[in-house]
Amino acid sequence: ELVLTQSPGTLSLSPGERATLSCRASQSVSSSYIGWYQQKPGQAPRLLIYGASSRVTGIPDRFSGSGAGTDFTLTIRRLEPEDFAVYYCQRYGGLSTFGPGTKVEIK
Amino acid sequence: QVQLVQSGAEVKKPGASVRVSCKASGYSFTNYGIDWVRQAPGQGLEWMGWTFPQNGDTKYAQKLQGRVTMTTDTSASTAYMELRSLGSDDTAVYYCAIIDGTVGFDYWGQGTLVTVSS
Repeated sequence: ELVLTQSPGTLSLSPGERATLSCRASQSVSSSYIGWYQQKPGQAPRLLIYGASSRVTGIPDRFSGSGAGTDFTLTIRRLEPEDFAVYYCQRYGGLSTFGPGTKVEIK
Repeated sequence: QVQLVQSGAEVKKPGASVRVSCKASGYSFTNYGIDWVRQAPGQGLEWMGWTFPQNGDTKYAQKLQGRVTMTTDTSASTAYMELRSLGSDDTAVYYCAIIDGTVGFDYWGQGTLVTVSS
């Protein structure tokens, strides 16, 4: 059974700084099936990145995804106040699974 | 516009069952699978399973196999998730969602809070 591990658990940064979030899979995963979500308190998650590196329409280009095999990364180039939230990676398609999440909080 | 409207909050006793509905509109119901995802209070997202209205195909998370059933009623454009033998750790917000990782879009229901308490 695939397990996704995200690090760090919490990232404390200031607006304008760069955020780098990691998602590691317990076995190799096709990049086509990796997504990243943002979730704010009291809201449903929102898909940001699909296919490991493609941005969903309307998502600002400060968000980017990369990676292959077992290691995937979400980068937020310059944090805006609205970017402070929890981010999850997901392997979708077939038996899906989410990582435990990384909370990006204001330093 | 695509909308997924879920049924209201539920309070159940341990050992009982719950059924959550998800009424879809704004698209062809049989064209997309529906995922069910839950989130316990203060916890992360847990994928529960997926159902494809066109043919009734289902996939369930191993952890919930035998306790969960996902069905659809194509005439009513509605998906259902039934969870049996509820325990306190089933207390969570339950979401239905359409997630297309090929084209890159997602739509989510508003969430249904299920509280399991004696």
